[in-house]
Order: sequence, then structure tokens, then C-alpha cells
Amino acid sequence: EDKVVQSPLSLVVHEGDTVTLNCSYEVTNFRSLLWYKQEKKAPTFLFMLTSSGIEKKSGRLSSILDKKELFSILNITATQTGDSAVYLCAVYSSNTGKLIFGQGTTLQVKP
Amino acid sequence: NAGVTQTPKFRVLKTGQSMTLLCAQDMNHEYMYWYRQDPGMGLRLIHYSVGEGTTAKGEVPDGYNVSRLKKQNFLLGLESAAPSQTSVYFCASALDPAKNIQYFGAGTRLSVL
Repeated sequence: EDKVVQSPLSLVVHEGDTVTLNCSYEVTNFRSLLWYKQEKKAPTFLFMLTSSGIEKKSGRLSSILDKKELFSILNITATQTGDSAVYLCAVYSSNTGKLIFGQGTTLQVKP
Repeated sequence: NAGVTQTPKFRVLKTGQSMTLLCAQDMNHEYMYWYRQDPGMGLRLIHYSVGEGTTAKGEVPDGYNVSRLKKQNFLLGLESAAPSQTSVYFCASALDPAKNIQYFGAGTRLSVL
């Protein structure tokens, strides 16, 4: 059965800290891995990764995929209170044609 | 830019009542999805559609029905609501999910008493 597992499930840090969120997967016919940020309402897209070892970067956020070891990490440097959210990892399988979501990691950044 | 619009935003039902959630997208996307989100369980796929007039079951389809009569609209129906259907429901759409991201609506918070 296809599955996506995120860790940790929750995390509390202080402003300025660096955090690493993990996403491991077991999915047949992997096509892409996506990261979303969810604050109160709709998930908003952060990154899509398809190739192993290529880092995607946007400001203080970056992500990388390891297709051999079947995981991805999302790094956030110099965290701010506005980074407080649930971060969702999802994997697209061409076998099923669906996105499979992990449970999410709840990040709280304290001032 | 409207994107994906869900109505209503909130609803309270009594057990056994029926209702329909509406999802509308203005991006000419082929693929549309209904998810439910419960604490600690991420997003679980209820039903999805790969084009106008088509629907398919997702991971948790029981108790729900869907219709995609027009390309821009995807309706989720609850025929006889149960407390286990208390959840936040998200609609999403994608042009081609293999190459493009899914865009999400703002969600509908449903409580079944």
C-alpha cells in the first residue's frame, strides 16, 4: 500500500532557529513530491520535486529529494512567527493518478 | 483571480440530513478532487474526476457521492449525514497532476450533530 510518512508530527522552535522537516515515502511509480504550507485555510504550494539531488529554493525555504532513499526534507532557516503552519508532503503516483498526503508537521515558531 | 471557490464555508447538519458542497474553478482544469482533513490524518481523497462527466472513488468514498456535469464544477453530496463526517472538506483542481500542482479551495467546515 502506498504511504507517505512525515516527521516530526509537531515541532516548537524560537524565532531565528533552523528547522528540518522530513518526508519519507513508499509509492509505486513515483512521479513527483510536493510540499504545501497550510495556515488555517487552504494548503498553498511551496515546491515540486521530481529529480533526485536537485535543491529547490525560495527565500529561507529549501527542499531536496533523495529518490534512492525515498525521502525529502524541507529546511526553513531563520524562522519567523509567520512560518507557523502545518507543512504537508504529498507524492504523486502515476500508478494511481493521485496525490498521497502525509499526516503533516505542525510547526510553531515562538517569538 | 478566483481560482478554486468552495461554498458554503461553514455548515452544521443534524444526523440524517443531506447537503451538497459546491466547488467551482475558473482555470479550465481537467482534474478535480474532494478531500477531507481530520486532525492528525493529513488529507484523504474522497472522490475525484479526470474530466467533465467522469468521477472515480478515492480512499474514503463511503457515504459521499459526486457529480461533474460541467468542467468547472465538482459537487460533493452527503445523502444522510453522520457524525463521522464531521470534518474540513477541501476541493482541489489541476491541469495535469503529473506536471502541475493542485490548487486548493479555502475549505468547508462541516459539523454533523
